Amino acid sequence: AQRVTQPEKLLSVFKGAPVELKCNYSYSGSPELFWYVQYSRQRLQLLLRHISRESIKGFTADLNKGETSFHLKKPFAQEEDSAMYYCALRTLSNTDKLIFGTGTRLQVFP
Amino acid sequence: EPEVTQTPSHQVTQMGQEVILRCVPISNHLYFYWYRQILGQKVEFLVSFYNNEISEKSEIFDDQFSVERPDGSNFTLKIRSTKLEDSAMYFCASSGFSEQYFGPGTRLTVT
Repeated sequence: AQRVTQPEKLLSVFKGAPVELKCNYSYSGSPELFWYVQYSRQRLQLLLRHISRESIKGFTADLNKGETSFHLKKPFAQEEDSAMYYCALRTLSNTDKLIFGTGTRLQVFP
Repeated sequence: EPEVTQTPSHQVTQMGQEVILRCVPISNHLYFYWYRQILGQKVEFLVSFYNNEISEKSEIFDDQFSVERPDGSNFTLKIRSTKLEDSAMYFCASSGFSEQYFGPGTRLTVT
């Protein structure tokens, strides 16, 4: 079964602390993984995708096929990082639908 | 930068009524999607649409739901007879050949 698991509903850190948002997936094929972010009262927007292997706003994520994980990391959290973060898996079918995790709310305190 | 737009932002309707949620995808995109998010739950795929037909639909997308691209710009989701459990945020998304771009959502409240 295709599934994305984000075990933490809420992650609270102080500004400057490291952040790791966990994501595990279950998919029989070769997945494509994404992180989407939703700031307060804004739309879902793409933060990262695993195939681009880039760093956006200081965030990185590495696909670990052995552990079926795609954790999102940032070494020094900023207050403006406070948002909902959703991990998503794109099935490589003709529809390319996204399967989302339940999301993790990141709160960064000053 | 082009964006996906959705109207209305909030729709309140009575159980049993029909609602139409509207989306204007990004103009050169070819793939269109509807997702929904019940309060406190995950974003769930409803349906994908390509080349003027449904390419995939989820178990949620039963006979009460339909989608249409009535002209070159709009993409609509119709719920024929709303139920209380249809209350949710409904997100439209569109894509070219890579990432999906999401609209701001329509909050549907069924009373």
